[in-house]
Amino acid sequence: NAGVTQTPKFQVLKTGQSMTLQCAQDMNHEYMSWYRQDPGMGLRLIHYSVGAGITDQGEVPNGYNVSRSTTEDFPLRLLSAAPSQTSVYFCASSYRGTTEAFFGQGTRLTVV
Amino acid sequence: AQSVAQPEDQVNVAEGNPLTVKCTYSVSGNPYLFWYVQYPNRGLQFLLKYITGDNLVKGSYGFEAEFNKSQTSFHLKKPSALVSDSALYFCAVRDSSARRLYFGRGTQLTVWP
Repeated sequence: NAGVTQTPKFQVLKTGQSMTLQCAQDMNHEYMSWYRQDPGMGLRLIHYSVGAGITDQGEVPNGYNVSRSTTEDFPLRLLSAAPSQTSVYFCASSYRGTTEAFFGQGTRLTVV
Repeated sequence: AQSVAQPEDQVNVAEGNPLTVKCTYSVSGNPYLFWYVQYPNRGLQFLLKYITGDNLVKGSYGFEAEFNKSQTSFHLKKPSALVSDSALYFCAVRDSSARRLYFGRGTQLTVWP
């Protein structure tokens, strides 16, 4: 099993550009989430999903969109990148809410 | 509102000494509590969890945590620290719906030889 796979690992964007961060898991987990990690802020929840076709907002959803068309994939879209979105992004999945989450290796995004 | 507090940004301890990383939480209903560790340039790794049952939970790498409902705390402990334990530690809690996972700001643990 590959676990949780995030691509790309690094990305530099210009302000106003769009891109999609990919996340895939092969563990048949129902729950998937996106977090951003900023120094001194811990991990903040952007969006989450409790199953295919179901998504909801987290703490900091503005500027980000998600969809969950399959159990395996949970892409995060930045429609118009801003410097404030410079961060490290982590995708996580879990079987259900009472089980531990598995994290990807992260995507380091810089918006200039 | 659900929240997690890790009151110490940094904890420094000598190798061989016991260590404690503190965590308090606020959540509606019964809490589901987790500890994760992050090594530099890596994702988070699961250490242990409390869902129900015994208040003392044992996890990976010799770590344990004690759930205290009256103090709403879930402190991470280890009897004898290793230099290799040096990392960033996160406490996390799920709300009563078990849908959202909230993280604390993290505590940088440094174990010196």
